[in-house]
Amino acid sequence: AQTVTQSQPEMSVQEAETVTLSCTYDTSESDYYLFWYKQPPSRQMILVIRQEAYKQQNATENRFSVNFQKAAKSFSLKISDSQLGDAAMYFCAYRTGANSKLTFGKGITLSVRP
Amino acid sequence: SAVISQKPSRDICQRGTSLTIQCQVDSQVTMMFWYRQQPGQSLTLIATANQGSEATYESGFVIDKFPISRPNLTFSTLTVSNMSPEDSSIYLCSVVTYEQYFGPGTRLTVT
Repeated sequence: AQTVTQSQPEMSVQEAETVTLSCTYDTSESDYYLFWYKQPPSRQMILVIRQEAYKQQNATENRFSVNFQKAAKSFSLKISDSQLGDAAMYFCAYRTGANSKLTFGKGITLSVRP
Repeated sequence: SAVISQKPSRDICQRGTSLTIQCQVDSQVTMMFWYRQQPGQSLTLIATANQGSEATYESGFVIDKFPISRPNLTFSTLTVSNMSPEDSSIYLCSVVTYEQYFGPGTRLTVT
């Protein structure tokens, strides 16, 4: 069974600084997708970034980038120039096929200090 | 992309009653997913709903407790039956087009 592990329950970052959120996963599949979702207090799930396992290049979306280490089954999210609006719960998630279910980690609460 | 709406956005219900949550998508989708998020927890998949077939339930979830309907490619309902305080959660509808999109959720409190 696929599992997603986020071992840090909480993190804090100073505004304008950089923070890295960790995620590891376990799978026997060779083809899969990894995601980071953000859930602010409004509870709307927002896709932050997506990584296809077959791509060696790390995904980047503006201030958000990932460090994807396939052999180590590690998928960390780096947030640069942190902003107050980045404060939220962040979930790492895994999916195999295009129409298969998402498996989520437990999430990490990120706070941003002004 | 897909825009998803859910009704109601929140509700407070008495134990022993049932609540039906509606999910409407602005485009036709093959599969819809229903997730539960208990307070302070992650999302757990309840079931996957395909149009024209019975929903597929995850371990720990049963049809008698969480009946699901999927009458067409843009709509689904989840009923939480015979509710107890342990059912107090956020219930989220989700669809996959290219990405996976989520509705705004329904916050259910059972007293």
